[in-house]
Amino acid sequence: DTGVSQDPRHKITKRGQNVTFRCDPISEHNRLYWYRQTLGQGPEFLTYFQNEAQLEKSRLLSDRFSAERPKGSFSTLEIQRTEQGDSAMYLCASSLAGQISYEQYFGPGTRLTVT
Amino acid sequence: KNQVEQSPQSLIILEGKNCTLQCNYTVSPFSNLRWYKQDTGRGPVSLTIMTFSENTKSNGRYTATLDADTKQSSLHITASQLSDSASYICVVRSYYGNNRLAFGKGNQVVVIP
Repeated sequence: DTGVSQDPRHKITKRGQNVTFRCDPISEHNRLYWYRQTLGQGPEFLTYFQNEAQLEKSRLLSDRFSAERPKGSFSTLEIQRTEQGDSAMYLCASSLAGQISYEQYFGPGTRLTVT
Repeated sequence: KNQVEQSPQSLIILEGKNCTLQCNYTVSPFSNLRWYKQDTGRGPVSLTIMTFSENTKSNGRYTATLDADTKQSSLHITASQLSDSASYICVVRSYYGNNRLAFGKGNQVVVIP
């Protein structure tokens, strides 16, 4: 399977704990995106990378959130001091810059539950 | 106000019947519009993409239409199957915004036997 993969698929954590998610994009894709999705809503943009550079961050990305893509391949999203409001599906997507269609291919998501 | 509005929010249809989902958007300038299918607990998967000059695009039993003048799109599902039960998300891309996409909240479709 050469699609976008995310790990873990599910994470349950206690409030105040730190969590880290990983995303492996499609290998030749140089753009990588993180989204958050709550029940009954569409995905909300968090941040995106082109290669290793983080080019844009949403206002939704508070100081407790940090994302990295150190070598321009996989990416991690860390949430520090988790709050119950952080419970959501965290989606990763990747695309190839330069394509006129700019299709973003989504991973299966990481479901976070903060208790 | 969300730049992409979808209706109905949810619907239940009998297996074998057709249905049509609506998407209205205000994104400007318009680049393209996609319909994604998202199964429960999974990531969205693209069904169709349409640019300004395209009025209709089909993918099997899914047919999307676009009216760029009125900024409306629809997704028609023909002869629905149980596997069509999912959320269908309308996603619009502008020429500006560093590839930022505007997502609708989705149409939740439940197909019953």
